[in-house]
Amino acid sequence: DAGVTQSPTHLIKTRGQQVTLRCSPKSGHDTVSWYQQALGQGPQFIFQYYEEEERQRGNFPDRFSGHQFPNYSSELNVNALLLGDSALYLCASSSGGDLSYEQYFGPGTRLTVT
Amino acid sequence: SQQGEEDPQALSIQEGENATMNCSYKTSINNLQWYRQNSGRGLVHLILIRSNEREKHSGRLRVTLDTSKKSSSLLITASRAADTASYFCAPLTSGDDKIIFGKGTRLHILP
Repeated sequence: DAGVTQSPTHLIKTRGQQVTLRCSPKSGHDTVSWYQQALGQGPQFIFQYYEEEERQRGNFPDRFSGHQFPNYSSELNVNALLLGDSALYLCASSSGGDLSYEQYFGPGTRLTVT
Repeated sequence: SQQGEEDPQALSIQEGENATMNCSYKTSINNLQWYRQNSGRGLVHLILIRSNEREKHSGRLRVTLDTSKKSSSLLITASRAADTASYFCAPLTSGDDKIIFGKGTRLHILP
């Protein structure tokens, strides 16, 4: 059983560009959450998708958007990239939208903005 | 949702020693979870302790929960080099739809 997978592993973009990151949840999970982790910091919650809708959103600008597909996989899109968007982006999956159960994290996508 | 505060921020111990790190939170919870993150990788769920439990074991891990003090501790016994990582706690209430992570405890196991 594959766990949470993310692609790509690493990505280098230029300021002003747009990027799309992808996540496939663990089999049987229907909820995907996205986190941004800057160096030396804990992961910061971006948003959560459940039943193809954004249910919760952290303190991130509208440049950050997402989507969940019928197969529960998800995409994170970031427009007009800034240097400060350089970070590790983590995807986590769980079931039923209730995060009081354990979450399974993917290995992350390292985004570098130059 | 609430954020747990891990303490200490950093910890260095010799291989074979025990490592203890703590987590404090502010409001009542249903459970508290601990996660480990090896350098630059995803988080791995270590253990979940429910609010009606006081202690839980998993291999070399021992977690305690004191709801009266709103605190938890994670003990790693007989530490190994592979335990070098950041450790995060997540105090949660049923229905929480996001986890707010703190900065974690960075554990370094010295050879």
